[in-house]
Amino acid sequence: DVKVTQSSRYLVKRTGEKVFLECVQDMDHENMFWYRQDPGLGLRLIYFSYDVKMKEKGDIPEGYSVSREKKERFSLILESASTNQTSMYLCASSFVDRGGYGYTFGSGTRLTVV
Amino acid sequence: GIQVEQSPPDLILQEGANSTLRCNFSDSVNNLQWFHQNPWGQLINLFYIPSGTKQNGRLSATTVATERYSLLYISSSQTTDSGVYFCAVGGSGNTGKLIFGQGTTLQVKP
Repeated sequence: DVKVTQSSRYLVKRTGEKVFLECVQDMDHENMFWYRQDPGLGLRLIYFSYDVKMKEKGDIPEGYSVSREKKERFSLILESASTNQTSMYLCASSFVDRGGYGYTFGSGTRLTVV
Repeated sequence: GIQVEQSPPDLILQEGANSTLRCNFSDSVNNLQWFHQNPWGQLINLFYIPSGTKQNGRLSATTVATERYSLLYISSSQTTDSGVYFCAVGGSGNTGKLIFGQGTTLQVKP
């Protein structure tokens, strides 16, 4: 069974800390994504990557950076965590073939910044 | 950018009932997905359906691309269908980026 694994289910960090959220996929997918989910706002794209070392900003990249040194791993970095970054973070990978696009999401990391 | 609107925002059903969820989008798309997020937060990809009709068991979806809407049908609903249903769309290119609607929260009562 294909999987996207996020390193932590729950995380509590202090304001100003540097935070790393890790995501690993075992499907050899080219594309990987980081979304955050907030009540009433749905899912919003932070960053995505279409290849190793390649990245593009999504709709809300401010305060975040990403790293993709290996195809299977896509890391989200909060350079200096703030309370407004308290949220559910979801990682996904995707493929495209003749049948169209398919997506697999991780279980999410609920981050609380205090 | 593309706007995605889902309706209704909330839906409560009795087990066994049928329902229709709607997704309107503001521009042409080459990628339209329906997802189900279960009460534990896991998102499952239900359909890739930029046009036409697909069926998978009790679920089916129809997208009318020329009129910029998609419908998700749930028949004979079960309590395990509860959760949030998201419609998400992508524009031109193969990046796979998706813009999500705000979701329809479905509660199926036994």
